[in-house]
Amino acid sequence: DVKVTQSSRYLVKRTGEKVFLECVQDMDHENMFWYRQDPGLGLRLIYFSYDVKMKEKGDIPEGYSVSREKKERFSLILESASTNQTSMYLCASSFGTVESGEQYFGPGTRLTVT
Amino acid sequence: GQQVMQIPQYQHVQEGEDFTTYCNSSTTLSNIQWYKQRPGGHPVFLIQLVKSGEVKKQKRLTFQFGEAKKNSSLHITATQTTDVGTYFCAGRKLIWGLGTSLAVNP
Repeated sequence: DVKVTQSSRYLVKRTGEKVFLECVQDMDHENMFWYRQDPGLGLRLIYFSYDVKMKEKGDIPEGYSVSREKKERFSLILESASTNQTSMYLCASSFGTVESGEQYFGPGTRLTVT
Repeated sequence: GQQVMQIPQYQHVQEGEDFTTYCNSSTTLSNIQWYKQRPGGHPVFLIQLVKSGEVKKQKRLTFQFGEAKKNSSLHITATQTTDVGTYFCAGRKLIWGLGTSLAVNP
């Protein structure tokens, strides 16, 4: 069974803090993704990576950065958290091509920025 | 820009009734994926459609890909309470529809 784990289920941070969200997958998938999910807005792609050290911007990369130093791990970084980054963050991984691979999701991290 | 429109946004049915959600793209899609997200859960992959006019079935679920590869549908026959959740389509460049939330009255 594919397993995608995220470092925290719930996180509360203060405005201006640097925030790290970690995602680990155990199936040797090439592709990893970070989404945020907000009511009424669906899933929006922040960044994705198709290989170690490779990254591509998604639809809403502003205010975020990512790091993929190892194949199994993909980190999302909020350089200076703001209240409008309060959201559910979902990590996913897939094999094959980025657009056609079945995505396996982690349980999500609900981040609150106060 | 590219968009994937999904309708309806919400659907409330009696158990046993059928349900359909539609996904429409402004551009031709190379493939389309469908996911289900249970309340409090994360999206789970259901299926991928690739060919023009493709129809695939999974028990009570029927998925269709339009001839022009710009639209798709998911039809559930005789809904059950286990079908409750939000159904998403995802198309080109990982753009997701906003989802259709299904509620089923027992």
